[in-house]
Amino acid sequence: KAGVTQTPRYLIKTRGQQVTLSCSPISGHRSVSWYQQTPGQGLQFLFEYFSETQRNKGNFPGRFSGRQFSNSRSEMNVSTLELGDSALYLCASSPEGQDGYTFGSGTRLTVV
Amino acid sequence: SQQGEEDPQALSIQEGENATMNCSYKTSINNLQWYRQNSGRGLVHLILIRSNEREKHSGRLRVTLDTSKKSSSLLITASRAADTASYFCATAARGGTSYGKLTFGQGTILTVHP
Repeated sequence: KAGVTQTPRYLIKTRGQQVTLSCSPISGHRSVSWYQQTPGQGLQFLFEYFSETQRNKGNFPGRFSGRQFSNSRSEMNVSTLELGDSALYLCASSPEGQDGYTFGSGTRLTVV
Repeated sequence: SQQGEEDPQALSIQEGENATMNCSYKTSINNLQWYRQNSGRGLVHLILIRSNEREKHSGRLRVTLDTSKKSSSLLITASRAADTASYFCATAARGGTSYGKLTFGQGTILTVHP
């Protein structure tokens, strides 16, 4: 059974640019959540999508957005990148968005 | 913002010894989960304990939950060098606004020396 796949693994972007990260959940999982991990703030919840609808959102500015497709694959977009957006971005999938989650290996974003 | 704190921040032990990590949280929860992370990679789900459970076992792992003290502990018995990793507790709150959302502690860095 394939795990959660995140692409790309690494990204280097320049301040002011925008970036799109992709997450393919485990087959049959309808919930996809996104997290940002930094040394200073730790793991912080960005948002969750279920059946193409955003059900939950963390305390991040509007520059952070996401969407989910009918096959449950999800993308997150960060516009007008700032140096502080440098982080490991993790997505996690679960059948219904509760209980245990399976995480991907993450996308490491560096903003220069 | 973090839900609570983990203690200790770092733990160094020898192979074969037991490792105990503690986690405190602030709000009412539906369940509490423990995850492991190796070298900044993805998180691996270890065990989940529900708010109406007090203790749970999985292989060499034992988790306890005390909802009156809002705390949990993770015990790894007979540790191995391969257990070296960061360990995080994460809580899922009650109610609809908890969908898909886990609130993580800052983590404990465990080093197991061969």
